[in-house]
Amino acid sequence: DAGVIQSPRHEVTEMGQEVTLRCKPISGHNSLFWYRQTMMRGLELLIYFNNNVPIDDSGMPEDRFSAKMPNASFSTLKIQPSEPRDSAVYFCASSELKGKSSYNEQFFGPGTRLTVL
Amino acid sequence: LAKTTQPISMDSYEGQEVNITCSHNNIATNDYITWYQQFPSQGPRFIIQGYKTKVTNEVASLFIPADRKSSTLSLPRVSLSDTAVYYCLVEMNTGFQKLVFGTGTRLLVSP
Repeated sequence: DAGVIQSPRHEVTEMGQEVTLRCKPISGHNSLFWYRQTMMRGLELLIYFNNNVPIDDSGMPEDRFSAKMPNASFSTLKIQPSEPRDSAVYFCASSELKGKSSYNEQFFGPGTRLTVL
Repeated sequence: LAKTTQPISMDSYEGQEVNITCSHNNIATNDYITWYQQFPSQGPRFIIQGYKTKVTNEVASLFIPADRKSSTLSLPRVSLSDTAVYYCLVEMNTGFQKLVFGTGTRLLVSP
């Protein structure tokens, strides 16, 4: 298996532009997570899906952020309009939902490094 | 704001045992404690997961006291390649339950 695939790996954009980050989870995994990592705030959970349904989006910073999972093999995280403070590394992770615990071993993608000028 | 705190950094030498503790006072009652390792420019990688007492796998041990308000990752006989940042991940009870990563511990292993 290729693991979790994220694209693009790097994105540089100007303030006000729309940014779309993409993620392909590991086949057979039914939980998908979006995280943001910065020096100041560390690793933060933005949103996660179980069986393509958003379960907890309380970490989404504001209305400029939105995430979708139209099917089991694809998810997007969109920022519109982007701001310099959105500059960070965004990770997607997937896991297999088992039993009552949603939080089994998560497999992380390589991340997308976003720079908003 | 629920916090999951760890020491910022630790230094060790090859062959020594390293213990990294994570404090999570408001941990939710029903979920696991998980530890991850992260190298520069990579995503975190799973190390070990447990619910209570002690768990051991081929790379680490995880010690969890009865009150589950902390956990300790133990790395036996570290090598240079164990130099990385280590994170705990727990579900916190903040009024609603939420996954929270620890602040991270940067481990430097020297020859």
